[in-house]
Parts: sequence; structure tokens; C-alpha cells
Amino acid sequence: QMRLQESGPGLVKPSQTLSLICSVPGGAIRSGDFYWSWIRQPAGKGLEWIGRITDTGSTNFNPALKGRVTMSVDTTKTQISLRLSYVTAGDTAVYYCAREIISGTMAPYYLDHWGPGIPVKVSS
Amino acid sequence: IQLTQSPSSLSASVGDRVTITCRGSRDITDFISWFHHKPGKAPKLLLFDGSNLEVGVPSRFSGVKSGTQFSLTISGLRPEDVGTYYCQQYDNVARTVFFGGGTKVQI
Repeated sequence: QMRLQESGPGLVKPSQTLSLICSVPGGAIRSGDFYWSWIRQPAGKGLEWIGRITDTGSTNFNPALKGRVTMSVDTTKTQISLRLSYVTAGDTAVYYCAREIISGTMAPYYLDHWGPGIPVKVSS
Repeated sequence: IQLTQSPSSLSASVGDRVTITCRGSRDITDFISWFHHKPGKAPKLLLFDGSNLEVGVPSRFSGVKSGTQFSLTISGLRPEDVGTYYCQQYDNVARTVFFGGGTKVQI
């Protein structure tokens, strides 16, 4: 059973950078069989996709957030990181990491496993 | 791509048949997924490819495509089915992900 776990500070000051980690068990990242996405949900609102990273570090981002988002894979290939710069109150949300199944044509196919999520509040 | 779900909320009785629809702003592929989300929990994948049931998901959940509209049906609503349901689609050119606005199901 794939158990993803998000971690990081629950409070970030406005204009600073939000940094989160997604811990991925086993050799799932190293296998190259999956992509890895971050999604968020502001309180009372729906789900919003933030971006995706592959095992080789290739990324795709939500155009609405592009320029503020970076993602990386750590050298041990057991963690995915998300960094969102210049945060505002509008970035207050529960942040999820999720595993993405890849199609035969290497396109993203579907999100099958999600972490429990981590609430992050942007406030001074 | 914009995904419009309807209704935005519904209230039904245990045992009822419930249908949620998802329509794309433009022609969308069959690669649509449906998720069930309860507060404080991780969203759970129910269906992918529009109609393929994820392993372990009860067979009372089903999905179908009709024209440019996708539907999720719960045949025999159970108390544990309360929560919010989301459809999700890809723009495979930009490789971006879109979610519908959600449908809140109550009993």
C-alpha cells in the first residue's frame, strides 16, 4: 500500500516561501514508473493542481502559479519537495502530494494515491 | 479546460440512485477520473478512464460518457458515501490537470 506523507511548517509569513516535503516509501520514485503531483485545497473551495515532477526532475506547473513554484526530487529519491514563493493569504490551504500513473505514451494518466494532506496557513 | 459539475450539492436517502455530471468547456478525452473526498482525509480515486473502477471500490459506483458529458452514478447510496465528489481531466498538450468544482453529497 502506497503511503505518501506530507510534512513542513504549518504557518508561513506573507511574502515568504512555503516549503513542503512529500515522503515516498520504497523505491517508487527511483522506479520511474510514476509521476508525482502536488494539489491544494483552500478552505471551503475545491481542488487545485499545483504541478508535477518526474523521477528525472522534469516539471509541469499550473500556469496560474508558474513563476512562484519550484519542485525537486532529493538525491536519495525518497522525497519530493515543493516550494511556493511570495505567498499571500490566498495560498492558505491543505496541500496534498499524489502519485500519478503514467500511460503507455508516457502521458499522465490518473492520480491513484494521495497523502493525507498538510494544512498550511499564511499569516503574519 | 473548465470542468463544470452539477449539481453543486444534493441530499438523498440511503438506497437512492444518485447521478453527478461533469461537462468540459471543450472536447475532452476519455481520460477522466472521479474522486471521493471526506473532510480531513485524502481524496480517494473511484474511477479512471471514465468508467474503470479502481481496485477495491464498490461496484455501486459506475461511470459513463455521453457526448461531451461524463456521469458518475452511485446505485444504492450508503451512509459512508457522504462527502464531496470531484471529476478530473487532463490537458494532454500542456500536461496540466483540471478539477471540477465538486458535488457535495449529503444524506
